[in-house]
Amino acid sequence: EDQVTQSPEALRLQEGESSSLNCSYTVSGLRGLFWYRQDPGKGPEFLFTLYSAGEEKEKERLKATLTKKESFLHITAPKPEDSATYLCAVRLSGNTPLVFGKGTRLSVIA
Amino acid sequence: NAGVTQTPKFQVLKTGQSMTLQCAQDMNHEYMSWYRQDPGMGLRLIHYSVGAGITDQGEVPNGYNVSRSTTEDFPLRLLSAAPSQTSVYFCASSYSTAPGLLFFGSGTQLSVL
Repeated sequence: EDQVTQSPEALRLQEGESSSLNCSYTVSGLRGLFWYRQDPGKGPEFLFTLYSAGEEKEKERLKATLTKKESFLHITAPKPEDSATYLCAVRLSGNTPLVFGKGTRLSVIA
Repeated sequence: NAGVTQTPKFQVLKTGQSMTLQCAQDMNHEYMSWYRQDPGMGLRLIHYSVGAGITDQGEVPNGYNVSRSTTEDFPLRLLSAAPSQTSVYFCASSYSTAPGLLFFGSGTQLSVL
């Protein structure tokens, strides 16, 4: 059973059409939830860290939120340059490394 | 700063060959890790290290070896390449005080024929 599930797998938006990506997790003892962006042919790039339910972080057109069982990445008025794969990851206790979801592939069409 | 440097960028191997993927970071990060990324499977952890001389297995360690003799370097060795190891490999590093804030290399695309 996957510990981190992202939905949808792929999302196609028109430029300016706001939407949300979902990341749900089944683990307990969460020590942080992380969002990354990955462009084709490149390594993932860190976006946000969320630690507790109710927390929100914003960067340009992106806003990440966290509840007890899921996180949302809201994209407001997206532009074509927001097209990428967005990865969610969780960290558990101690020195355990991140566990990644499979990602949502976002395409924003002009 | 160069960040996390991976070499080579592309590699083609024959089944049974061995090779080493190189990873170096110049940020004095304590944590380093190797992931593989396959279509529909996401990023899966192969091995990781929390400091020089300390390594541990991740989710998919079979067929791979690692060592961490210095803080800067974390090579990944394929002992006897198999077609199932065809993948894109990413090395990542982070500070021990922010283990979830990973800095990734640009990846190595490996094909095993």
